[in-house]
Amino acid sequence: KAGVTQTPRYLIKTRGQQVTLSCSPISGHRSVSWYQQTPGQGLQFLFEYFSETQRNKGNFPGRFSGRQFSNSRSEMNVSTLELGDSALYLCASRHSDRSVYEQYFGPGTRLTVT
Amino acid sequence: AQSVTQLGSHVSVSEGALVLLRCNYSSSVPPYLFWYVQYPNQGLQLLLKYTSAATLVKGINGFEAEFKKSETSFHLTKPSAHMSDAAEYFCAVSESVSGTASKLTFGTGTRLQVTL
Repeated sequence: KAGVTQTPRYLIKTRGQQVTLSCSPISGHRSVSWYQQTPGQGLQFLFEYFSETQRNKGNFPGRFSGRQFSNSRSEMNVSTLELGDSALYLCASRHSDRSVYEQYFGPGTRLTVT
Repeated sequence: AQSVTQLGSHVSVSEGALVLLRCNYSSSVPPYLFWYVQYPNQGLQLLLKYTSAATLVKGINGFEAEFKKSETSFHLTKPSAHMSDAAEYFCAVSESVSGTASKLTFGTGTRLQVTL
C-alpha cells in the first residue's frame, strides 16, 4: 500500500504570494492532518480534516486554510506569505478520526519564503 | 491541556551501547502516546505507540518503551545502538477523548548521535 504523498516536495515563494500544498493520504484513510515544523517552534498542529469537514484547528492565523476532497485528498493554502512561514509542512493520514489510530506522515513540503 | 517534555535535546551514545531517550507527559485524561523518528530531509516514521493495551510496547528497529503512569513517563530504549539509529526522535501525546483527540502534541525532539 502506497504511503502518504505530498506535492511539491520543495517550493520557493516570495513574501506576499500565496501557496497551495497537496497531500494524498494512504488508501482507505479518511482523516488528514497538517503540521508545521520549524527549528524555533518545533512541530505544531495546523488542522485536521475528516470526511471533508475540518474537525480540529490549531492556533494559526486565518491566512492558513485547508480543505479536503471527497477522495480524501487534502490541500492547504497559505495566503500573503511571510518570512516566518518558511517551514517543513507535514501531512499525516489516519484510518479514522479516533486517536487510537496512529498517524502516518508524508515526506513533507519544504517551503522557503524569500 | 496535554503536553510532552523530552529531556535532553541531544544524546550521544557509542555504537552497541544502550539508548535511553526520555519523555514525560501531562494529560488530564488517559493518554495515547507515540514515538516517531525523523531522518534528515524526511517525514516522521512511527516507531511505536501506547494505547493502554500493555505498558511495555515493542516497536520497529529494536526499540521499545514502557508506560509508567506513576511517573507520567514513556521513555524510549534500545539495548544496542546502531549507526543507522542516528536521527531525531519525537515523543507525542494524543488524548483519548473523541472529538478533540485528533491532534498530536509533540515534544521538542531529541537528536541521537551514535559514535564508533
